[in-house]
Amino acid sequence: GQNIDQPTEMTATEGAIVQINCTYQTSGFNGLFWYQQHAGEAPTFLSYNVLDGLEEKGRFSSFLSRSKGYSYLLLKELQMKDSASYLCAVRPLSGNTPLVFGKGTRLSVIA
Amino acid sequence: DGGITQSPKYLFRKEGQNVTLSCEQNLNHDAMYWYRQDPGQGLRLIYYSQIVNDFQKGDIAEGYSVSREKKESFPLTVTSAQKNPTAFYLCASRIQDSSYEQYFGPGTRLTVT
Repeated sequence: GQNIDQPTEMTATEGAIVQINCTYQTSGFNGLFWYQQHAGEAPTFLSYNVLDGLEEKGRFSSFLSRSKGYSYLLLKELQMKDSASYLCAVRPLSGNTPLVFGKGTRLSVIA
Repeated sequence: DGGITQSPKYLFRKEGQNVTLSCEQNLNHDAMYWYRQDPGQGLRLIYYSQIVNDFQKGDIAEGYSVSREKKESFPLTVTSAQKNPTAFYLCASRIQDSSYEQYFGPGTRLTVT
């Protein structure tokens, strides 16, 4: 089976740092994606982690621990435009099986 | 410009009517997907297709149908059998390589009254 957990909502202050966690329990694992989705729009790709460790891309970083079934997305120097939902998605082990998405974390950035 | 198009952006229908949502991509991607998104529910997979003339049911296929007659097109029909059709529908595609990244269309918001 597949189970992916993320916090439903988070609030953070402009200029601060926020960490959005994702834990997963899946029958197979071959990588983890993070997507950003603004309200009423399409999700856009942020990161893809296959190996353990931290990957940094500008203000955004993503971390993966395969042994713990755990990932986080770190957003630095928060801006108002970062207010969005952040979706964690797992790539199953078997071939071309579709991604499995968590329910998403709605982040509100306040002044 | 390469990308995925979904039309229309907003669609209104009366209960009991079938409605077809379009999804077209010019990215030459092999696989295409349909998701439904409701508030607080994340993305739920309806149907997917990895090759022309072949498709598989996702987690919530009941009340929906699809076809894949051309590589670039993957229309979704919401039938009258779907009990709660009002939702935001997202189409996605990806090339069958190691990157596994999915690209999403802009979505269609369907309202059935």
